[in-house]
Amino acid sequence: EVQLVESGGGLVNPGGSLRLSCAASGFAFSNVWMTWARQAPGKGLEWLGRIRSNSYDGMTEYAAPVKGRFTISRDDSKTTLYLQMNSLKTEDTAVYFCTTLNQKNAFDFWGLGTLVTVSS
Amino acid sequence: QSALTQPASVSGSPGQSITISCAGTSSDVGSYDLVSWYQQYPGKAPKLMVYEVTKRPSGVSDRFSGSKSGNTASLTISGLQAEDEADYYCCSYAGSTTLYVFGPGTKVTV
Repeated sequence: EVQLVESGGGLVNPGGSLRLSCAASGFAFSNVWMTWARQAPGKGLEWLGRIRSNSYDGMTEYAAPVKGRFTISRDDSKTTLYLQMNSLKTEDTAVYFCTTLNQKNAFDFWGLGTLVTVSS
Repeated sequence: QSALTQPASVSGSPGQSITISCAGTSSDVGSYDLVSWYQQYPGKAPKLMVYEVTKRPSGVSDRFSGSKSGNTASLTISGLQAEDEADYYCCSYAGSTTLYVFGPGTKVTV
């Protein structure tokens, strides 16, 4: 059974940093492209970025609102995905989800999410 | 502001069929057969319902079907059931610069 469990969310001041983790199990993590998405309170889904498998090229790509502030990484030995968030803004307040990305460019499995609140 | 446009809400009676539209542009929906749909209950994680416009993952009811015409994709739910009451989001691949765009979501009421 595929499981994705996000952690690391919490309250952070504007301008601060936070690192989220996503522990994966139940599938061959090292072969799978992964993504992060978020959902602000009462709002829709927003794709943030993706990381390709290291066997492909391990490259990352980001959505414009977070490019330069957020960094996605992965540790295949720990089957864990990370999202380093810097220079946080109040508008970054959201539930953050990690997802798998299949070869059909669809997000086929999602974690339950972790809440990040940016506020002073 | 979302790159894709969806109606805010759609409603129907049990047993009826409803269709949710997802309007994009020639840069996303119109250029790629890579539209996917997600179902989300309040406070829960989204679930993939349709990918590549028309395909269903294993385990998804065949009451859910997808289609596309030009720059607009659609999700049809047939034989509407109470359990179908949820939010539905469309998403499209949008090329190597933007990559993925979501619609704002549609609340389905049964």
